Amino acid sequence: DVKVTQSSRYLVKRTGEKVFLECVQDMDHENMFWYRQDPGLGLRLIYFSYDVKMKEKGDIPEGYSVSREKKERFSLILESASTNQTSMYLCASSYQTGGGTEAFFGQGTRLTVV
Amino acid sequence: ILNVEQSPQSLHVQEGDSTNFTCSFPSSNFYALHWYRWETAKSPEALFVMTLNGDEKKKGRISATLNTKEGYSYLYIKGSQPEDSATYLCASPYFNKFYFGSGTKLNVKP
Repeated sequence: DVKVTQSSRYLVKRTGEKVFLECVQDMDHENMFWYRQDPGLGLRLIYFSYDVKMKEKGDIPEGYSVSREKKERFSLILESASTNQTSMYLCASSYQTGGGTEAFFGQGTRLTVV
Repeated sequence: ILNVEQSPQSLHVQEGDSTNFTCSFPSSNFYALHWYRWETAKSPEALFVMTLNGDEKKKGRISATLNTKEGYSYLYIKGSQPEDSATYLCASPYFNKFYFGSGTKLNVKP
């Protein structure tokens, strides 16, 4: 069974903390994604990686960075957490077919920054 | 950024009703159109990946159509059941990145 696993389901962090969200996939997918989901706004792309050590900014990269040292693992880093980063974060992965095959998602991490 | 729009934002129906929602996307540079179902406390899961104009896909009581020339897709649910309650997302890929609409939240009352 195909799996995308995110390290935490729920997380509460303090303003200013450095936060790491981890994502692992077991499907040998080339592409990995980080999205955030906010009510009424749908899924917005934060960062995209198409290969190890390769990354592209998405639509809302400000305040975030990413790391992809191994093909199966894609980390999202909040350099200095702020309350406006309270959100649901979803990791996804896919084959590199230009979008002709579906994305597979993790279960999501609900992050609260206080 | 690819502008993908969905309507309505939410829908409340009675068990047994049939329903449909719309996804519109830019028709230029079209490659594919995806539909996902996202149930509460679960991961979004793909329903359909559609690539050809006029494509129709079906999975049980759920079906979808695609018009790439005018840039829209419809998702239909026949005889809605409470277990169909979920958020339905559509996405249009562009250079390997997926751009999602804001979703249609469906609530089916028993």
